[in-house]
Amino acid sequence: AQSVTQPDIHITVSEGASLELRCNYSYGATPYLFWYVQSPGQGLQLLLKYFSGDTLVQGIKGFEAEFKRSQSSFNLRKPSVHWSDAAEYFCAAGGGGGADGLTFGKGTHLIIQP
Amino acid sequence: NAGVTQTPKFRVLKTGQSMTLLCAQDMNHEYMYWYRQDPGMGLRLIHYSVGEGTTAKGEVPDGYNVSRSTTEDFPLRLLSAAPSQTSVYFCASSSTGPRTETQYFGPGTRLLVL
Repeated sequence: AQSVTQPDIHITVSEGASLELRCNYSYGATPYLFWYVQSPGQGLQLLLKYFSGDTLVQGIKGFEAEFKRSQSSFNLRKPSVHWSDAAEYFCAAGGGGGADGLTFGKGTHLIIQP
Repeated sequence: NAGVTQTPKFRVLKTGQSMTLLCAQDMNHEYMYWYRQDPGMGLRLIHYSVGEGTTAKGEVPDGYNVSRSTTEDFPLRLLSAAPSQTSVYFCASSSTGPRTETQYFGPGTRLLVL
């Protein structure tokens, strides 16, 4: 069965420190991969996506993610976090045809310490 | 261009009542989706549509009906609400094609069933 795992439920990072959020997927073939961010009481905003090609993907708000096929991972990184980055982050995977929606991880709650 | 809109933003229902959650998109997307978000569960797919006149079941379809009479609209119906349907509901849409599968999300509808 297809699945997306985000091992960390909560992560606390000091403002200005670097960030890495983990995501592992289990799919029959290489899926399309996404990272979304959700601020409290808001909908989901796309940060970045990977379809094919360059395995290092740049997104909005200074985020990037690296696809590693050998590790079935798509970790999200940011070199220096800001207090406004505090939110819920979701990794998601899709099969390619779009027909059956996305499979989401359970999310990682990011807390920023001053 | 409003993107994906959802109404209402918040609703309280009594067990056994029915209601329709509305979703509309103005991007001419063929694919539309309904997800529910529960604490610690991420987003789970309820139903989806790959075009006008089509619907299909997702991961958690029981207790919900959908229809797709126009490209723009994809309403979600609860025929007899149950407390287990207390959740935040998100509608999303995407265009066809393997390189344009980004899903755009609405702001969500928060539903409380008493």
